[in-house]
Amino acid sequence: EPEVTQTPSHQVTQMGQEVILRCVPISNHLYFYWYRQILGQKVEFLVSFYNNEISEKSEIFDDQFSVERPDGSNFTLKIRSTKLEDSAMYFCASSDSPGGGDTGELFFGEGSRLTVL
Amino acid sequence: DAKTTQPPSMDCAEGRAANLPCNHSTISGNEYVYWYRQIHSQGPQYIIHGLKNNETNEMASLIITEDRKSSTLILPHATLRDTAVYYCIVHTGRRALTFGSGTRLQVQP
Repeated sequence: EPEVTQTPSHQVTQMGQEVILRCVPISNHLYFYWYRQILGQKVEFLVSFYNNEISEKSEIFDDQFSVERPDGSNFTLKIRSTKLEDSAMYFCASSDSPGGGDTGELFFGEGSRLTVL
Repeated sequence: DAKTTQPPSMDCAEGRAANLPCNHSTISGNEYVYWYRQIHSQGPQYIIHGLKNNETNEMASLIITEDRKSSTLILPHATLRDTAVYYCIVHTGRRALTFGSGTRLQVQP
């Protein structure tokens, strides 16, 4: 069964450092998403991406964050200067229709745990 | 997207049916009811969705009331592996999916 893969599974970084989280979406999917989940809290939407541009972003997704699809397979989330409160699990998702569309199905990866010290 | 209300937690005996309720009284005509679950800290997993008819797949059944103001997700024979947080989400697909607090289902041996 096709799956979304994320790397690294866990990253520890110092406050102020740049971090890039990587995702390989399902190959025929066109819509890509990043979500995060702070320990013990809800899964929060960060950003959606389609046709090489951001289609929607939340209040959380400020200037410290950026996304990119550098080639035909990877989808990355960059945090420019990490803060303690960026410590969370970051989930990538993909779908073949917007927001999951009528099929309703977003496929999520297993997540990248970011720990900022 | 319309707001949903779910009980924060539920228990179910292994092998029995788990019935997870969801209220969505402000749902509009073009909004679907979706269910996802999150096992431990894994990525959320799609379960099922529907508009107004009841739906069944290999994982679960979804029963939507005639007025569409509430729904029930049914796991027919719950196993320990079904212990998870279950999210009921009302959604049109035009904007990104957003998750609430969900129901924490504990399947007891």
